Amino acid sequence: GAVVSQHPSRVICKSGTSVKIECRSLDFQATTMFWYRQFPKQSLMLMATSNEGSKATYEQGVEKDKFLINHASLTLSTLTVTSAHPEDSSFYICSARGGAGGPSYNEQFFGPGTRLTVL
Amino acid sequence: GEDVEQSLFLSVREGDSSVINCTYTDSSSTYLYWYKQEPGAGLQLLTYIFSNMDMKQDQRLTVLLNKKDKHLSLRIADTQTGDSAIYFCAEIGGAGSYQLTFGKGTKLSVIP
Repeated sequence: GAVVSQHPSRVICKSGTSVKIECRSLDFQATTMFWYRQFPKQSLMLMATSNEGSKATYEQGVEKDKFLINHASLTLSTLTVTSAHPEDSSFYICSARGGAGGPSYNEQFFGPGTRLTVL
Repeated sequence: GEDVEQSLFLSVREGDSSVINCTYTDSSSTYLYWYKQEPGAGLQLLTYIFSNMDMKQDQRLTVLLNKKDKHLSLRIADTQTGDSAIYFCAEIGGAGSYQLTFGKGTKLSVIP
């Protein structure tokens, strides 16, 4: 299956700093990427959907100015947590979906996740 | 919004079959998925089934879909300790929708 990577896998930062998380599709072009947040022992909550070259669509309750998403190319999307606070500590997972007609169109392939800890 | 429900825990003995159940509310679901998540890791797609199918088998995995009752199950034959993980059921709605709705996950514990 298709491979999606995330970097970094773990990050610890001080309160007030910004953290950037990268999501890459390694062997296919991802026209759509999704960002999820997962709290301990809970399901994934969709934060936003990003399409290459356009602005991300955020889910209700997700602050656009706090969670900046950039999908600059067909293989890379970034999530920047700005002015992070301890309540932003969580497991962030991205997924990628290929374009119409491709083998990955009907599937979402998930990255391994990034554990963010804000002190 | 649409909802996906799963039981939270399942415990089975090694070698037995595991059956994880899921119910959903979206009558326009097109694809239904089973994902596996090991501790501290992302999600691994195990299998998926299109809504016009009622069964799909892939090695030790059997997916059953009852569209009338909106019930999906995942059967793992000859369950191994390596199958211990959280299993998420997810669905995608119809008409061009591509957003996954996840259940809360079922934690499968395999007893040696």
